[in-house]
Amino acid sequence: AQSVTQLGSHVSVSEGALVLLRCNYSSSVPPYLFWYVQYPNQGLQLLLKYTTGATLVKGINGFEAEFKKSETSFHLTKPSAHMSDAAEYFCAVSSAGANSKLTFGKGITLSVRP
Amino acid sequence: KAGVTQTPRYLIKTRGQQVTLSCSPISGHRSVSWYQQTPGQGLQFLFEYFSETQRNKGNFPGRFSGRQFSNSRSEMNVSTLELGDSALYLCASSLNGYSGNTIYFGEGSWLTVV
Repeated sequence: AQSVTQLGSHVSVSEGALVLLRCNYSSSVPPYLFWYVQYPNQGLQLLLKYTTGATLVKGINGFEAEFKKSETSFHLTKPSAHMSDAAEYFCAVSSAGANSKLTFGKGITLSVRP
Repeated sequence: KAGVTQTPRYLIKTRGQQVTLSCSPISGHRSVSWYQQTPGQGLQFLFEYFSETQRNKGNFPGRFSGRQFSNSRSEMNVSTLELGDSALYLCASSLNGYSGNTIYFGEGSWLTVV
C-alpha cells in the first residue's frame, strides 16, 4: 500500500520568502510523485510530477521539487513567495503500470503575508 | 483545448435521494477517474474507467457507482444519499490511465446533502 505524509496543515511565509512544503511517501514499488495546487472553490492543478529520470523536477509558477529516494521525500520549494501562491497544496503518489489511482496527502494550506 | 468539464457545479439533495454527476474528459483522453474530497477524509479515490470498463475501485460502499460511455464521458451515481456524502466530487482524466500520464482535474461538483 502507498501513503503520503504532509507534515503540518498550515504554513505561513512572508512575501518574497522561501516556500518549503514537505512531503514524505511510502511505497513498496518505485513511485510516481505529484504536487497539485488547489485554489478556493476550484479543482486541482498540476504543479509538477516525477516519473523517472532527473530527480530535480521543475514545475509551473517557479516551483520545483526534488525526489530523494533515500529519504523517501519529495519536498516542494519556491525561492520567493508571491501573494498569488496562497492556496492548498497536495502531494500525491501512484505506482507504475495501468493504475492511475492517486493517493493524496492531507494537504497543506500556504498563507503568504504581505 | 477544453479542460475536464463537470456538471452540475453545485447541487443540494435530501437524505435518501440519489444523485448523478457528469464528467466530460479532455478530448482524446480515455481514462476517467473520480475522487471525493471532504475536510475530514481529504481526497479519496472512488473509481477509474477506461474504455467503458471499471479498471480500479476505491473503498467506497456500493451506493457509489459509475459508468463510462463510448465517447469517454463518464457519470457517477450515489444512491440513498447520506449526510456524510456531502463533499466535492472531482473528476480527472488522462490519456490512457497509465501512471506516467498527467492527470487533469475538473473544477468539481459540490454536493450538499440535507
